[in-house]
Amino acid sequence: GIQVEQSPPDLILQEGANSTLRCNFSDSVNNLQWFHQNPWGQLINLFYIPSGTKQNGRLSATTVATERYSLLYISSSQTTDSGVYFCAVSWSSNTGKLIFGQGTTLQVKP
Amino acid sequence: GAVVSQHPSRVICKSGTSVKIECRSLDFQATTMFWYRQFPKKSLMLMATSNEGSKATYEQGVEKDKFLINHASLTLSTLTVTSAHPEDSSFYICSASPPRHLRGNQPQHFGDGTRLSIL
Repeated sequence: GIQVEQSPPDLILQEGANSTLRCNFSDSVNNLQWFHQNPWGQLINLFYIPSGTKQNGRLSATTVATERYSLLYISSSQTTDSGVYFCAVSWSSNTGKLIFGQGTTLQVKP
Repeated sequence: GAVVSQHPSRVICKSGTSVKIECRSLDFQATTMFWYRQFPKKSLMLMATSNEGSKATYEQGVEKDKFLINHASLTLSTLTVTSAHPEDSSFYICSASPPRHLRGNQPQHFGDGTRLSIL
């Protein structure tokens, strides 16, 4: 099956810093989503981005489908950005189920 | 607002009891729903695909008789953890998928999850 790898596994930032999270996948995908899981376990959908670039406030994401990777950019980080960020993908021959990466745990210090 | 509702959010019960978790799509009819399980500090692992009007498709290693899935309507899937034991304690979360012909253009929507604790 498809493999999804995220890096780095852990990241500690000072408030105000910028960061880039990476998601590599081993095969062609037709869906890629970035999530932020808050301390209560809720998965917050950040981006649906099977290809191209999107921006939402301080967050932006880019997926280069031909090279099988996606990047999530966080600018001017805030303590509320802390949590786990997941990348998840699905592909055209499956039923739409998402396969998750192992996540990046982000801690933003004040 | 939420497009997928999951209930209950938290369950604490004794070993040996069965627990039912509901997942409802609020804004669309979902022919397919998915159930995931997450252990502490781990990623989400797909358990099964819930198919409206037919049997669920389970991932390798998931016990069908332990985790019963029913998808009797286009807006409701249920996961029943039968004869639950402490090792079944986990965070369970569902997602709903829009109809197949729209799937290529739609993200998956997730419920808020159910934290199950078996004493």
